[in-house]
Amino acid sequence: DSGVTQTPKHLITATGQRVTLRCSPRSGDLSVYWYQQSLDQGLQFLIQYYNGEERAKGNILERFSAQQFPDLHSELNLSSLELGDSALYFCASSEGQGAGYEQYFGPGTRLTVT
Amino acid sequence: GENVEQHPSTLSVQEGDSAVIKCTYSDSASNYFPWYKQELGKGPQLIIDIRSNVGEKKDQRIAVTLNKTAKHFSLHITETQPEDSAVYFCAASNNYQLIWGAGTKLIIKP
Repeated sequence: DSGVTQTPKHLITATGQRVTLRCSPRSGDLSVYWYQQSLDQGLQFLIQYYNGEERAKGNILERFSAQQFPDLHSELNLSSLELGDSALYFCASSEGQGAGYEQYFGPGTRLTVT
Repeated sequence: GENVEQHPSTLSVQEGDSAVIKCTYSDSASNYFPWYKQELGKGPQLIIDIRSNVGEKKDQRIAVTLNKTAKHFSLHITETQPEDSAVYFCAASNNYQLIWGAGTKLIIKP
């Protein structure tokens, strides 16, 4: 158990809809990362927050947005969903803001868009 | 920007044999190189990492080597066991952002 929690575990929704994925980092970790992993694909980095501020941005679509709240939990919002958005979404957390810290991954949220 | 290439994409070895996964990176300023293991149905987990001031690091059956001149680093697993079956990801960073390799699916044949 990494100490990172993600909800929900599974999500099934229709095209055009909007969903929110939630992540609680490990106690004491200030950074939260979001990743997308499609079937048999690698990890696509989406975005990183550190202590409430956006720190780094990867290949995140304009239809996707995220935020980190004062209690350090984070939410990833996916809107105007398309079939191709079906994937595993992982949240990870780390102690510091730099890339040299170990990232602890949550169990993921499996999103299915029908 | 940084680019990380990982080979092979799939590796099948006999139980008890060694496995080697290789990665190359493009940014000479990269100074941190972690390896993550992702078991089926789980999130990735750090198994070993190396920083640019070290050429080799070992932890029981796993080791990582780094060649800064050639800009490549490798993961070595000796005496492979069934529980080593997983997807392995390499990554490289210059302390700003971690860039991930595409992953290697390691299959351990009984």
